[in-house]
Amino acid sequence: GESVGLHLPTLSVQEGDNSIINCAYSNSASDYFIWYKQESGKGPQFIIDIRSNMDKRQGQRVTVLLNKTVKHLSLQIAATQPGDSAVYFCAEIPTGQGAQKLVFGQGTRLTINP
Amino acid sequence: DGGITQSPKYLFRKEGQNVTLSCEQNLNHDAMYWYRQDPGQGLRLIYYSQIVNDFQKGDIAEGYSVSREKKESFPLTVTSAQKNPTAFYLCASSIRGRNNEQFFGPGTRLTVL
Repeated sequence: GESVGLHLPTLSVQEGDNSIINCAYSNSASDYFIWYKQESGKGPQFIIDIRSNMDKRQGQRVTVLLNKTVKHLSLQIAATQPGDSAVYFCAEIPTGQGAQKLVFGQGTRLTINP
Repeated sequence: DGGITQSPKYLFRKEGQNVTLSCEQNLNHDAMYWYRQDPGQGLRLIYYSQIVNDFQKGDIAEGYSVSREKKESFPLTVTSAQKNPTAFYLCASSIRGRNNEQFFGPGTRLTVL
């Protein structure tokens, strides 16, 4: 498969446990924050997003938390499964650029232990 | 079955040659994007197009060119001017004005020998 990132930050969790993936962002003026999942050899998949005027948003088995005070974004995955193994990227849409582009973070590799 | 396709999955070229990567979508999306991904890094935007016959440079457009003659297609040419072209290239599309939810293709791994 593709080598998405040889030296990415990694997180290992036991199957069934909850996972928390963190992301620090630098641009305090962003409209949206988004989480993508990328499996080996594939393109990223949209997971969930959150607008800058929200603190929390929940999806199916996932929750995104936004702390604008410390410029921190997190993705919580409940009851992790083997299929959750992937690289997770946070991304933001900076304000004032016509909402034209996503700015991606480095990514975190999540590994699920049986 | 709607989606976005890229071909080929693996591509090898000799140094100094131009190469064109294909990206096609049948999602009826107006906006399309090209990203480059290197090991240990996130995606970086090369070019994007919000509508047919219009496109803009992204953060790393030097050494690349695009065209948008059809809504469904957004080919990327990696020219000989690109100093380090070996990378994983990803194409994406979205509803215009909703680039918070981009749909990505499977990617093309380009290796320049």
